[in-house]
Amino acid sequence: SYELTQPPSVSVSPGQTASITCSGDKLGNKYTCWYQQKPGQSPVLVIFADTKRPSGIPERFSGSNSGNTATLTISGTQAMDEADYYCQAWDISTDVVFGGGTKLTVL
Amino acid sequence: QITLKESGPTLVKPTQTLTLTCTFSGFSLSTSGVGVGWIRQPPGKALEWLALIYWNDDKRYSPSLKSRLTITKDTSENQVVLTMTNMDPVDTATYYCAHWHRVGGYYFAYWGQGALVTVSS
Repeated sequence: SYELTQPPSVSVSPGQTASITCSGDKLGNKYTCWYQQKPGQSPVLVIFADTKRPSGIPERFSGSNSGNTATLTISGTQAMDEADYYCQAWDISTDVVFGGGTKLTVL
Repeated sequence: QITLKESGPTLVKPTQTLTLTCTFSGFSLSTSGVGVGWIRQPPGKALEWLALIYWNDDKRYSPSLKSRLTITKDTSENQVVLTMTNMDPVDTATYYCAHWHRVGGYYFAYWGQGALVTVSS
């Protein structure tokens, strides 16, 4: 079965750039998105179709996807961005797959 | 405005069958391209996709759980039902339903609040 691998944790200082990776075989050939989940809340979509931001998501969130790695980048990270982040991929052969999640800590 | 809400038992016994209902508004499951999916999250653990049903009644299941899952829809009632057989304590989780979007990307655009299901005797 297809697997997506994320680092368990990432730390960043306020105002700095955080990068969270998601790795999978030929991931660049699949549609990838990212969700933010804060404690006790449902996930919220922050990036879809590799690079697009839904309405209402701040511009500091951006995404890329190439080769075997998709990356969520948060520029000028704020304390409110501290959360768990999950990547998700889809293609016709694997259907929906989630990564294991990354806990972002803003120190 | 799209909303979804999960309902069902909060406690089930091992070996029992779990039935969860997702009631939604703001969209129709008869509209081309639309889907509704189920995702679960054990306490402190990652999200796990379970099943998807599309507007055309195409059904997709997680390969690891396929033998235990059934997803159905009632378009007139705006509901999607998930059944999971032979429940085990490891199935204790928050179960979410979500609106699946497949135009210009493939993602869960809207999520319900989740329903915590505990499996215990």
